[in-house]
Amino acid sequence: DAGVTQSPTHLIKTRGQQVTLRCSPKSGHDTVSWYQQALGQGPQFIFQYYEEEERQRGNFPDRFSGHQFPNYSSELNVNALLLGDSALYLCASSFGYGANVLTFGAGSRLTVL
Amino acid sequence: QQQVKQSPQSLIVQKGGISIINCAYENTAFDYFPWYQQFPGKGPALLIAIRPDVSEKKEGRFTISFNKSAKQFSLHIMDSQPGDSATYFCAASNEGGSQGNLIFGKGTKLSVKP
Repeated sequence: DAGVTQSPTHLIKTRGQQVTLRCSPKSGHDTVSWYQQALGQGPQFIFQYYEEEERQRGNFPDRFSGHQFPNYSSELNVNALLLGDSALYLCASSFGYGANVLTFGAGSRLTVL
Repeated sequence: QQQVKQSPQSLIVQKGGISIINCAYENTAFDYFPWYQQFPGKGPALLIAIRPDVSEKKEGRFTISFNKSAKQFSLHIMDSQPGDSATYFCAASNEGGSQGNLIFGKGTKLSVKP
């Protein structure tokens, strides 16, 4: 049973560019949450998608946007990249709206130069 | 505003010893308190979780102690092993209100020496 899969695993961008990260949830899960984990810090909640809609959002600017597809997979888009966006981006999936038992992927490591 | 404070930042324990990591929270609406374990290059994995209707939960060598009045909870790892060396995160959420929005502590890097 595949867990949460994320791609790409590593990527390097320059300031001002845009990036798209992808996530496939664990089989049977229908809710996807995205977290940003800066080096040496705990994950910070970006937003959550359920039924193809953004249901909740953390304290992140609207440069961060996302999408959920009918097959429950999700994308995270970040525009106008800043050096401070360098982090590990984690996707977590769960079953059902409101569930907080999360299964995390291994993350996508973004470096902004 | 940091809603979940975790200590210590790092911890070194001898094999067979007890590892203790502490967390304190501020929001009394929190009703779900998980601990996650993260190895280098991996995402966090759920280790054990507790809800405020019980004061202690044990799963194998891992125990959560919960003190609702003090707004504190802790993770105890008994008979610590080198394979337990990882970063541990406490977290909290309001299941009814936050819909999966976990608030994480800053993490504790545990090293178990053989």
